[in-house]
Amino acid sequence: EAQVTQNPRYLITVTGKKLTVTCSQNMNHEYMSWYRQDPGLGLRQIYYSMNVEVTDKGDVPEGYKVSRKEKRNFPLILESPSPNQTSLYFCASSTWVAGGEQYFGPGTRLTVT
Amino acid sequence: DAKTTQPPSMDCAEGRAANLPCNHSTISGNEYVYWYRQIHSQGPQYIIHGLKNNETNEMASLIITEDRKSSTLILPHATLRDTAVYYCIVRTGANNLFFGTGTRLTVIP
Repeated sequence: EAQVTQNPRYLITVTGKKLTVTCSQNMNHEYMSWYRQDPGLGLRQIYYSMNVEVTDKGDVPEGYKVSRKEKRNFPLILESPSPNQTSLYFCASSTWVAGGEQYFGPGTRLTVT
Repeated sequence: DAKTTQPPSMDCAEGRAANLPCNHSTISGNEYVYWYRQIHSQGPQYIIHGLKNNETNEMASLIITEDRKSSTLILPHATLRDTAVYYCIVRTGANNLFFGTGTRLTVIP
């Protein structure tokens, strides 16, 4: 089954404790992206990757890092989480040609206290 | 990407057609219109997209006006499972999808 998976689905952590949210897709997609969703603000793009070893900032990259060492994986790293990073996070992927047809993961709800 | 304007909420009776409007008056000639929906807090789901012509797939139909300044997503026979937030997105070649606040569609039994 074609899918995007994220882990963990729920995470409660404390300020400053480094964490990684994993994202994996099994569709051989070139393009992957991370979004965060906050009430009243819709989804905003954090980082994206057009292929292995190619990443770039989205609209709200501050406080986040990413890497793309393999085509299928695109982890989101919070080196020193803060309460304003409490949010619902989504990973998405697509082919480069059909970039508007993105497959989204189920989401990771992160709470930073 | 051009911005879009959607009504914040709509109701639709179960079994009836749901017509969701979207205004995109600043759309450029090469910008596509995409529709996604998000059920509760699940990941957004792609529905349909178009450039100029009307489009139909197994989920919905997309009607784009001749001047391309507005479009309508049509769910022909709404069910309770279609209750969701629907996003209208205008996109150029970039892969960053700008999700606004969308329309919250409630299908009523």
